[in-house]
Amino acid sequence: EPEVTQTPSHQVTQMGQEVILRCVPISNHLYFYWYRQILGQKVEFLVSFYNNEISEKSEIFDDQFSVERPDGSNFTLKIRSTKLEDSAMYFCASSLSRPQYFGPGTRLLVL
Amino acid sequence: GQQLNQSPQSMFIQEGEDVSMNCTSSSIFNTWLWYKQDPGEGPVLLIALYKAGELTSNGRLTAQFGITRKDSFLNISASIPSDVGIYFCAGLTLNYGGSQGNLIFGKGTKLSVKP
Repeated sequence: EPEVTQTPSHQVTQMGQEVILRCVPISNHLYFYWYRQILGQKVEFLVSFYNNEISEKSEIFDDQFSVERPDGSNFTLKIRSTKLEDSAMYFCASSLSRPQYFGPGTRLLVL
Repeated sequence: GQQLNQSPQSMFIQEGEDVSMNCTSSSIFNTWLWYKQDPGEGPVLLIALYKAGELTSNGRLTAQFGITRKDSFLNISASIPSDVGIYFCAGLTLNYGGSQGNLIFGKGTKLSVKP
């Protein structure tokens, strides 16, 4: 069964460094998303992407964040200058219609 | 912003018991989704509900989309130890023009099953 995959599974970085989180959505899906989950809390929406552009973003998704679909298979989230409060699980999701399917996540720890 | 109230926050049950959890909102949703999350992993889709009043089953799981479109419940019958995890409801709205919107998640129900 097709799955969303994400790399790396864990990332440790110093505050102020740039990180790129990578996702390979399910191949025939058209809509792509990033969510995050701070430890012990609920999943929060960051950004949605369709037709090579951002379709919606939350207040969390400020100028430090960017997304890109550099080729036909990858979908990336870049955090330009990480802050301590960016430490969280980051989930990529994709959909063809309404149900969204989530990847296993990248655990980001900012020191 | 839109919020979902999910209850109960946690449940401790004996193996074999039935479980019920629900989500309510002050906002209307077009779709309700129920996910299960194991520690350190991503949410796994259990059931998707698309129409008000819809009742859908997936094995021992049954979920309903409330008539008012502002609530949903999930039932698990005859619980087993592998049902342990955190269950999240999520509501989906559509953007202008009907394109896909983002999911609003509840805070989760942590289920513990005692053998």
